[in-house]
Parts: sequence; C-alpha cells; structure tokens
Amino acid sequence: DAGVIQSPRHEVTEMGQEVTLRCKPISGHDYLFWYRQTMMRGLELLIYFNNNVPIDDSGMPEDRFSAKMPNASFSTLKIQPSEPRDSAVYFCASSPQSLGNTEAFFGQGTRLTVV
Amino acid sequence: GDSVTQMEGPVTLSEEAFLTINCTYTATGYPSLFWYVQYPGEGLQLLLKATKADDKGSNKGFEATYRKETTSFHLEKGSVQVSDSAVYFCAQRLGYSSASKIIFGSGTRLSIRP
Repeated sequence: DAGVIQSPRHEVTEMGQEVTLRCKPISGHDYLFWYRQTMMRGLELLIYFNNNVPIDDSGMPEDRFSAKMPNASFSTLKIQPSEPRDSAVYFCASSPQSLGNTEAFFGQGTRLTVV
Repeated sequence: GDSVTQMEGPVTLSEEAFLTINCTYTATGYPSLFWYVQYPGEGLQLLLKATKADDKGSNKGFEATYRKETTSFHLEKGSVQVSDSAVYFCAQRLGYSSASKIIFGSGTRLSIRP
C-alpha cells in the first residue's frame, strides 16, 4: 500500500480564498484523523471519522473549517475564508478498526501558507 | 480529561550519550501508549508502542515501558546517534467503540551533536 496520501504538499494562498486539502487513507482503515501542527500550539486534533461518520469535531477551530468524508477512500478539509493564522502543516492519518491498541499512520502533510 | 504530558525541549546531547524523554498520561481507562518520531519535513511515524501495563516497546535501540502505577511511558536509548535528531511525540489511545481518538503530547525536539 502507498500509505496515506495527502495533496497538495504545499499550498500558498491569499487571505480570503477558499482552501481544500485532500486525503486518501490506507485502504481498509476505518478511522481517519485530521491534525494541525504549528510551532505555538503543537499537534492539534481537528476532527476524526469512523466509517466515514464524523465522531468528534470539537477541535475544529471555527465555522470557517469544515471536513467531509464522502466515501472510505477520500476526505477533504476545507477552510473558507482562509486567514493568515491558518498557516500550518495539516496532517491526515488513518488507522484500522481498533480495540484501542493500533497506531495511526500519517501522511506527509500539507504545508499551508496564507498571505 | 485525558491528556499526555511530556518533557519540554529542546534537548541537546552529544553522540553516544544516554537519552531519556519523560512522558506521563492521564486517562479514564487503560490506554495503549505510543512514541512517534517526526523527522524534518516529514509526517509522524510510529517508533514503538505498548498496549498494557508492564509491556515494553522497543525499536531501533529505543525502549519504553508502560508503568501503570506511575502513569508513565518514558522513552530511553542507551547511545544516541546524530541520525536520531528529530521531534518525538508521546501519545495515548483509548478505544472501546467508535470513539477512539489518539491524544498527543506537545513533542520534544532532540538534537544530537557529533
């Protein structure tokens, strides 16, 4: 398997524009996680899905952020409108159905810069 | 609530020095525990894990033992190398249903001098 695939790897956009980040999880994995990493706040869990259903979105910073998982092989994280403080590395991760003892596999991340 | 606390960095050591990075957790149940490593410009990758009390995870010379009595999972390596320079994250995961999220510590940046 190719692992978790994220696109794009780098995104530079102007403030106010819509940004869409994409993730393809590992085939057969039931969980999908979106994280944001910044120097100031470290690694934050934004939202996660189980079997394509959002389970916990309490980490989504505000209404400008939305995430979808229309099927088991694809998820998007959208920011509309984007702001400079959204600049960060966004990671997607997936894991198999768990009794709590399996790790998540991470993508390479998308580095977002909002100017 | 559930959380993971790890020692603040950065940590700078000389090559072949002994490494300890402390990690403690709070959890309402009995989580699985993980150490992840992040090399520059890359995503996180699993370094080792332990799923129950007294288990020892090990990989690439790194070790960590799940201590329920002290709620700790400290990372150790007897002799570090320059190639070990990275950011290390401690994490826990509880999960008995669909609600099985992974909680990470803040990360510890490790730099090894030749």
